[in-house]
Amino acid sequence: KQEVTQIPAALSVPEGENLVLNCSFTDSAIYNLQWFRQDPGKGLTSLLLIQSSQREQTSGRLNASLDKSSGRSTLYIAASQPGDSATYLCAPYSGGGADGLTFGKGTHLIIQP
Amino acid sequence: NAGVTQTPKFRILKIGQSMTLQCTQDMNHNYMYWYRQDPGMGLKLIYYSVGAGITDKGEVPNGYNVSRSTTEDFPLRLELAAPSQTSVYFCASTPGARGIAEAFFGQGTRLTVV
Repeated sequence: KQEVTQIPAALSVPEGENLVLNCSFTDSAIYNLQWFRQDPGKGLTSLLLIQSSQREQTSGRLNASLDKSSGRSTLYIAASQPGDSATYLCAPYSGGGADGLTFGKGTHLIIQP
Repeated sequence: NAGVTQTPKFRILKIGQSMTLQCTQDMNHNYMYWYRQDPGMGLKLIYYSVGAGITDKGEVPNGYNVSRSTTEDFPLRLELAAPSQTSVYFCASTPGARGIAEAFFGQGTRLTVV
């Protein structure tokens, strides 16, 4: 059974800092890993999709890395802004079955103005 | 460009009532999922479907039923609602088993059982 752990559970930093969110998963047989953002009371917004054959994926100030063999992914946020405040979720995708798309509890991020 | 659409957005049910949460996607995705999200917890899989006519249980299926008569629609049925089913429900879809493309999520249905 795929299990996903995200560290830290919560993070509060001043605006402008660079920060790293960590995600670890127990089953490395994944096709891809997706990072999502969730604003309070809202749905999930996809941020980055990184394929199992890739090491990194970038979108603007966001960079996601994947080390499939060790079951780890990181999301790097550069020059953080108050608008980045949200909960960040990672979800490794294993294909079909009940373990197909499994989520961690997320990292609750607050960027102080 | 609708993606995944869920209705209703909010609902209050009395204990013992029934309801259906609707989910439809217009991307011709084979795989669809229902999750529930409780405060401070991750998303837990209720049911999933790998194609029309095929459904299977996830981690927390008790008290729920699903059907998949078409590729587009994947309704979630709550029979005899209980306070423990108070949660936010999300529907999602992916193209298929290989996971080449990303998963898409609906905006959620916030359900309160009183």
